[in-house]
Amino acid sequence: QVQLEESGGGVVQPGGSLRLSCAASGFTFSTRAMHWVRQAPGKGLEWVAVISYDGSNTYYTDSVKGRLTISRDNSKNTLYLQMNSLRGDDTAVYYCYCGSTGSGYYLEWGVDYWGQGTLVTVSS
Amino acid sequence: EIVLTQSPATLSLSPGERATLSCRASQSISSYLAWYQQKPGQAPRLLIYDASNRATGIPARFSGSGSGTDFTLTISSLEPEDYAVYYCQQRSSWPPFNFGPGTTVDIK
Repeated sequence: QVQLEESGGGVVQPGGSLRLSCAASGFTFSTRAMHWVRQAPGKGLEWVAVISYDGSNTYYTDSVKGRLTISRDNSKNTLYLQMNSLRGDDTAVYYCYCGSTGSGYYLEWGVDYWGQGTLVTVSS
Repeated sequence: EIVLTQSPATLSLSPGERATLSCRASQSISSYLAWYQQKPGQAPRLLIYDASNRATGIPARFSGSGSGTDFTLTISSLEPEDYAVYYCQQRSSWPPFNFGPGTTVDIK
């Protein structure tokens, strides 16, 4: 049974930092590209970042470049999102997501694995 | 960057009616488009991938069509559980793997 379980969300002041984790089980995590997707309260989905299966390549949406860092530890089947210099518009539910079968594509929709999401609130 | 626009923003229909949702890309994305359904408090769920392929376990009343810049999601006969927000997403040119702004299907 596939599971993606996010943790690490909470309330943080503007300019602060937070690290999100996503523990994966039930599939071959080490062969799949992994994504973070976020959703601000009452708003639509926003793709945030993706990391290759081995962690060697990462890509980001422009608004988070230089502040958010995606990484992974395949020995622990865990995906991370280090969040620095946080701003109010980073307030959102953050989902980890896998949409790759391990084909080498970063996203081909061969599978559809989502976590339950973790809420990050940036507020003073 | 490819921009996706969805129309209408809200669609108010009765159970049993046909729903037609549109997604338009700012440039050609071939057939590299997916449709997701999201209900309140839940993660999105993949319905259609590569424009017209139903994902595993998705009922036949959901269908997708289109290529290039214009795409359509059709729900042939609305069931009570279909009232939700629907998003399109592209994987043709990235990053980013952009989503559209969403269409809300609500009960008339």
